[in-house]
Amino acid sequence: QSVLTQPPSASGTPGQRVTISCSGSSSNIGSYSINWYRQLPGTAPKLLIYSNDQRPSGVPDRFSGSKSGTSASLAISGLQSEDESDYYCAAWDDSLYGWVFGGGTKLTVL
Amino acid sequence: EVQLVQSGAEVRRPGESLKISCEASGYTFINNWIGWVRQMPGKGLEWMGIINPFDSTTVYSPSFKGQVTISADKSITTAYLQWSTLKASDTAIYYCTRHSRDGSSRSLGYWGQGTLVTVSS
Repeated sequence: QSVLTQPPSASGTPGQRVTISCSGSSSNIGSYSINWYRQLPGTAPKLLIYSNDQRPSGVPDRFSGSKSGTSASLAISGLQSEDESDYYCAAWDDSLYGWVFGGGTKLTVL
Repeated sequence: EVQLVQSGAEVRRPGESLKISCEASGYTFINNWIGWVRQMPGKGLEWMGIINPFDSTTVYSPSFKGQVTISADKSITTAYLQWSTLKASDTAIYYCTRHSRDGSSRSLGYWGQGTLVTVSS
């Protein structure tokens, strides 16, 4: 059971906007910024969003993040087939003094 | 360019020991903590623990405390993850990752390519 809660799956058609939610608690999302990672099969996770809503260089602006209280969400607009991937949320946790992850959301582009 | 390069895939038998490595380059090694993450086959990411390469202070996730040892050698900018007694359930991909902090902002911005550890009799 992951500390952060994400839906196991999400889907959309090309061009659509999809959102993935992430729920935590006061010791993690409520106190620290949320990060989002994308992981393609057989590869390492890649940072997609940091500091709740910041994109690293090279990440398209179709990806956006937000946070409110102890919850966060990742939005992908103009969905493309290459967006099919696993997406994970993560945050630092004060109680654990370490990182906590969501269980991952498998995004399917129909 | 920041890089974390991990050692290659390993195959061991239950009961054997193992030490895998993560060599960092492109930044000042002692300025960022290094963490380890496990991903079992077909499963999600699990936080194992973190080390401060400056003084080798480590903090383990309760799930992994006593099961693994995290260490670092700042003279060769390398972090390690080791097992003294492997079990079949340790079969997984292990990632090292660089922790950064700025105020209340934290990130794991850089990851190694992963080391596949297979434990089988």
